[in-house]
Amino acid sequence: ETGVTQTPRHLVMGMTNKKSLKCEQHLGHNAMYWYKQSAKKPLELMFVYSLEERVENNSVPSRFSPECPNSSHLFLHLHTLQPEDSALYLCASSQDRGGSEQYFGPGTRLTVT
Amino acid sequence: RKEVEQDPGPFNVPEGATVAFNCTYSNSASQSFFWYRQDCRKEPKLLMSVYSSGNEDGRFTAQLNRASQYISLLIRDSKLSDSATYLCVVPDQTGANNLFFGTGTRLTVIP
Repeated sequence: ETGVTQTPRHLVMGMTNKKSLKCEQHLGHNAMYWYKQSAKKPLELMFVYSLEERVENNSVPSRFSPECPNSSHLFLHLHTLQPEDSALYLCASSQDRGGSEQYFGPGTRLTVT
Repeated sequence: RKEVEQDPGPFNVPEGATVAFNCTYSNSASQSFFWYRQDCRKEPKLLMSVYSSGNEDGRFTAQLNRASQYISLLIRDSKLSDSATYLCVVPDQTGANNLFFGTGTRLTVIP
């Protein structure tokens, strides 16, 4: 199993839908992250979990709701999204929080119609 | 000033050329740095870590200039497969959990 996996790889949803993105890491890491990547913008950090505890929430709208049931799994629950939320959502993990190398999953390309 | 700044390019170079990208960072306390590579519509992948004055891995050399607060990435003997966006990354030194990503430099190697 490769290091960090994400499902689904592509998602199209309407503004009234509820969906969830899933991330799983097989690296034995202690920290997991959600990023948003929009065209021609740097990666935007959304959430950080360390040992299953949320340690950072970068002023993300409440229509995005993360969940980390254990150190290997991370979810991003989506509801009542806006078209401007269309982007590539990347999950990453690192051995520890605080600046060590991060390893990314392949991302979920989300389109909100 | 942004935490990390990169020339967005694009850089278009012929096969076999040597190309260098620079990246400047704002926090003089930064101790470690990373270069990531991102192919079109794919995830970023770690290319090199830089913890001291520099690092070399085959055709790739990363150099750090702490006095001027910049990091460079040098690619020698460019291959077509080097075409990608190169992201400069600097850890947040405030005790938070961030990596600051640059906007990336786009490289296209031409046959």
